[in-house]
Amino acid sequence: AQSVAQPEDQVNVAEGNPLTVKCTYSVSGNPYLFWYVQYPNRGLQFLLKYITGDNLVKGSYGFEAEFNKSQTSFHLKKPSALVSDSALYFCAVRDTGNEKLTFGTGTRLTIIP
Amino acid sequence: AAGVIQSPRHLIKEKRETATLKCYPIPRHDTVYWYQQGPGQDPQFLISFYEKMQSDKGSIPDRFSAQQFSDYHSELNMSSLELGDSALYFCASSLKAGELFFGEGSRLTVL
Repeated sequence: AQSVAQPEDQVNVAEGNPLTVKCTYSVSGNPYLFWYVQYPNRGLQFLLKYITGDNLVKGSYGFEAEFNKSQTSFHLKKPSALVSDSALYFCAVRDTGNEKLTFGTGTRLTIIP
Repeated sequence: AAGVIQSPRHLIKEKRETATLKCYPIPRHDTVYWYQQGPGQDPQFLISFYEKMQSDKGSIPDRFSAQQFSDYHSELNMSSLELGDSALYFCASSLKAGELFFGEGSRLTVL
C-alpha cells in the first residue's frame, strides 16, 4: 500500500524567508513523488515531481523538493517566500506499477507580509 | 495549451436524485482519473480508466459508476444522491505514468 504523511496542517512564514513544507511517504516499490498546489475553489496545479535521477528537483514558481530515500521524505522548499505562495499544498505518491496518486492531507501555507 | 475540461462547474441536486459529471482529458493522454474532495479534505481516488478500460478502483460507492467513451471523454454517474456526496469532483488525465493534470472541478451540492 502507498501512503503519504504531511505532519503539519498549517505553516506560517514571513515574506522573504525560506519555507519548507514536509512530506514523508511509504511505498513497497520505487516511489514516484509529486507536489501540487491548490488555491481556493480551484483544481490542483502540478508543481514538481521526482521519478528518478537527481535527488533535488526544481519546479514551478521557484519551488524545489529534495528526495531523501533513507528518510523517505520529499520536503518542498523555496528560498524566499512570496505572499502569493499562500495556498494549500498536497504531497502525493505513486508506487511502482500503480496508476493512482495517493495524496497527503495537505498543508496550508500562509505567507505573512 | 489545452487543459482538462470538466462540466458542469457547479451542480445542485436534491437527495435521491441523479447527477452526471463530464470530463474531457488533455488530447493524447491515455489515462483518466476521478477524485472526490470533501470540504477541508484531501482528494480521494475514485476510479481510473486506461485507454477506455477501467484500470483501478478506489473508494467509489456502488451508487456511482463511470465510463470512458470512444472519444476519450469520461462521465461519472451518481445515483441516489446523499448529503454526504456534496464535494468537489475532480477529473485528471495523464500520459502513461506521468504527472496528473487536473481540471478545475465540479462542485456538487446535495440539498
